[in-house]
Amino acid sequence: DAGVTQSPTHLIKTRGQHVTLRCSPISGHKSVSWYQQVLGQGPQFIFQYYEKEERGRGNFPDRFSARQFPNYSSELNVNALLLGDSALYLCASSLAVSESSYEQYFGPGTRLTVT
Amino acid sequence: DAKTTQPNSMESNEEEPVHLPCNHSTISGTDYIHWYRQLPSQGPEYVIHGLTSNVNNRMASLAIAEDRKSSTLILHRATLRDAAVYYCILRVYNQGGKLIFGQGTELSVKP
Repeated sequence: DAGVTQSPTHLIKTRGQHVTLRCSPISGHKSVSWYQQVLGQGPQFIFQYYEKEERGRGNFPDRFSARQFPNYSSELNVNALLLGDSALYLCASSLAVSESSYEQYFGPGTRLTVT
Repeated sequence: DAKTTQPNSMESNEEEPVHLPCNHSTISGTDYIHWYRQLPSQGPEYVIHGLTSNVNNRMASLAIAEDRKSSTLILHRATLRDAAVYYCILRVYNQGGKLIFGQGTELSVKP
């Protein structure tokens, strides 16, 4: 079975631009979460979606937004890019949203560089 | 957010057991203990989780203290491929799916 897939793998953008990152969850998984990982730190939670609805939001500015589609894939959008947005963006999928026993499966990430 | 404390780094020799400790003194009765690891240039990978009893799977074992204020991830025979950052995470009931990652323990394995 295919794991979580993300596209693109790498991306270089200029300050002020906009970026869209994409994620396809494992087949059968209805929950998708997004994380940002700055070099040298652990991942930080950005959003969680379940059945196309936002179920959680981390401490990120409104420049960050996301959505989930009927096929459970998801997009993360970042507007007005700053140098500090340079990071590895990770997508994770899981069967459900609220069960604290369920594990999450991560994709390989999208490496975003803002110049 | 529920907090865990782990050593910044540990070293191990190949084919020897590794015990990775985690303290979580503020854990509540419904919090699950999860372990993930992140190999270089990859996304995090689920390793194991538990609530009260010790757990075993093909990757590792999880030993949970009787008072649940600490736990230990056990790799029975470390290989070079086990070199990674290991994260101990508390999954808090009714806080949805978010994982709160700390700094983790960077495990290096010497041949």
